[in-house]
Amino acid sequence: EVQLVESGGGLVQPGGSLRLSCAASGFTVSDSYMSWVRQAPGKGLEWVSIIYSGGGTYYADSVKGRFTISRDNSKNTLFFQMNSLRAEDTAVFYCARDRYPGSHVYWGQGTLVTVSS
Amino acid sequence: QSVLTQPPSVSAAPGRTVTISCSGSSSNIGSNYVSWYQQLPGTAPKVLIYDNNERPSGIPDRFSGSKSGTSATLGITGLQTGDEADYYCGTWDSLSDGEVFGGGTKLTVL
Repeated sequence: EVQLVESGGGLVQPGGSLRLSCAASGFTVSDSYMSWVRQAPGKGLEWVSIIYSGGGTYYADSVKGRFTISRDNSKNTLFFQMNSLRAEDTAVFYCARDRYPGSHVYWGQGTLVTVSS
Repeated sequence: QSVLTQPPSVSAAPGRTVTISCSGSSSNIGSNYVSWYQQLPGTAPKVLIYDNNERPSGIPDRFSGSKSGTSATLGITGLQTGDEADYYCGTWDSLSDGEVFGGGTKLTVL
């Protein structure tokens, strides 16, 4: 059974950093396209990043240069390093396994990131 | 302002049929497959339709998808109260090299 479990969210001050984790089971992260999608409170879905099975990465303009997607193959875990956080980054962050870029097959339960002083 | 355009809300009575539209452009819907996601209140999104019109196992055939040109449509027949949710369309955008979503449509089953 495929499972994705996010962790690492919490309250952080503007300008601070946070690292999200997404522990996967039932499949191999390094063989998959994996994405991060966020949802601000009361708002719609916003794609933020993807890592290809080959290691290539893409980012939304809103987070480029501040956020980094990566994976640890030995732990079968996806990560999202978020630096220089802003109030507008406040959202639930979901990790997802993709069939191909733009097609999410499985979603985690999400982890809430709140950026506030 | 979302790249893909969806109606903010639709409503219909139980047992009826509803359609939700998703309009884009040649760089996204016009040249890539479309997926549809259902988000029940307080839960993570779930895929309903992928590759424009394919249903994952476990998704009832009351849900269907279609695409024509730069627009896509989600259809739901035999509406149930449990279908009340937010529905999102999504696809890859070849121009921006990123995924784009619609703003979401809230379905109310009266």
